[in-house]
Amino acid sequence: EDKVVQSPLSLVVHEGDTVTLNCSYEVTNFRSLLWYKQEKKAPTFLFMLTSSGIEKKSGRLSSILDKKELFSILNITATQTGDSAVYLCAVEAARIQGAQKLVFGQGTRLTINP
Amino acid sequence: DAGITQSPRHKVTETGTPVTLRCHQTENHRYMYWYRQDPGHGLRLIHYSYGVKDTDKGEVSDGYSVSRSKTEDFLLTLESATSSQTSVYFCAISRDRVTEQYFGPGTRLTVT
Repeated sequence: EDKVVQSPLSLVVHEGDTVTLNCSYEVTNFRSLLWYKQEKKAPTFLFMLTSSGIEKKSGRLSSILDKKELFSILNITATQTGDSAVYLCAVEAARIQGAQKLVFGQGTRLTINP
Repeated sequence: DAGITQSPRHKVTETGTPVTLRCHQTENHRYMYWYRQDPGHGLRLIHYSYGVKDTDKGEVSDGYSVSRSKTEDFLLTLESATSSQTSVYFCAISRDRVTEQYFGPGTRLTVT
């Protein structure tokens, strides 16, 4: 059974800290890994990773994939209160007629205190 | 933001009644998906569509059916709602096989 596990499940830090969120996976037919941010509404897309060792960056957020060890990390530097959210990791575990079948982790709830 | 709307946004219904949720997109994307989100489970795929009239089951499809008669609309039906179907339902779309999925605002469904 395909599985995606995120850790920690919950994290509380102070504004300005750097955080690292983890995502490990076990899937039979890996195609890509995606990170989403979810505040009190719909998940919003952050990154899609397909190749090992290539860092993707967007402002203070960055992510990297290790396909040998089957994990990804999401780093957030100089955190701000607006970074408070649930961060979701998803793995594309199959593609049927071009449709992506994503398996999601439980999410990491990140709280940034001022 | 991707042009995705969901209706209704909130619904309370009784056990045993049929319920239909609608997802509407203005992006002309080929692929559409229905997920449910529950505490402790993350997002789980219910059904998906890869074109008009082309749909298939996801990992938690029991008790749900879907239809897609137009590119822009994807309907999710609970034939006879049960309390275990109380959840937040998200629709998502993607343009092609290598691009990310974009999510709609969600529908909070409560079955009493």
